[in-house]
Amino acid sequence: AQSVTQPDIHITVSEGASLELRCNYSYGATPYLFWYVQSPGQGLQLLLKYFSGDTLVQGIKGFEAEFKRSQSSFNLRKPSVHWSDAAEYFCAVGGRAGKSTFGDGTTLTVKP
Amino acid sequence: DTGVSQDPRHKITKRGQNVTFRCDPISEHNRLYWYRQTLGQGPEFLTYFQNEAQLEKSRLLSDRFSAERPKGSFSTLEIQRTEQGDSAMYLCASIGESSYNEQFFGPGTRLTVL
Repeated sequence: AQSVTQPDIHITVSEGASLELRCNYSYGATPYLFWYVQSPGQGLQLLLKYFSGDTLVQGIKGFEAEFKRSQSSFNLRKPSVHWSDAAEYFCAVGGRAGKSTFGDGTTLTVKP
Repeated sequence: DTGVSQDPRHKITKRGQNVTFRCDPISEHNRLYWYRQTLGQGPEFLTYFQNEAQLEKSRLLSDRFSAERPKGSFSTLEIQRTEQGDSAMYLCASIGESSYNEQFFGPGTRLTVL
């Protein structure tokens, strides 16, 4: 069965500081991996995705993530956080059928 | 292309009532997915369609839940005899043939059962 673990429920960073959100997955085959962002009361917006190829993927809003098969991880990073990045972030793993399994999310707070 | 739309955005109902939600996927997207998201959790898969065929249903989808996609375009999700535990955000997503399994999500329907 596929699963996703996001170990950090809540992270607080200062504006301008770097950010790393952790994601570990369990999947029996080559995974499709995604990071989404969700603002309160809103749907999910895709930040970036990994299907194959280069293990470092670039996304929107200056985010990037690195797929590490040996560690079953897909951590999200941003070199300099902006106040508008405050939101909830979800990591997800999917397969060929398209359905995704999501982690429980990490809430990001940005201090001025 | 206006994206995935869901209607209504909010629904408040009394326990025991039936409710129906609608999802309009991106046009020509052949796969459509329903998820449920409760507070503090990630979305959980409920069911999905390829065209009009319902190909998979989660164990979360009790017999009070039914979903349809009669013409392979929009989909409806009905909950009969609602319970307070059904209160959640119901999200719809669609995938097109060339989307490489990238799901496009709608804004969701927030259900509150009193």
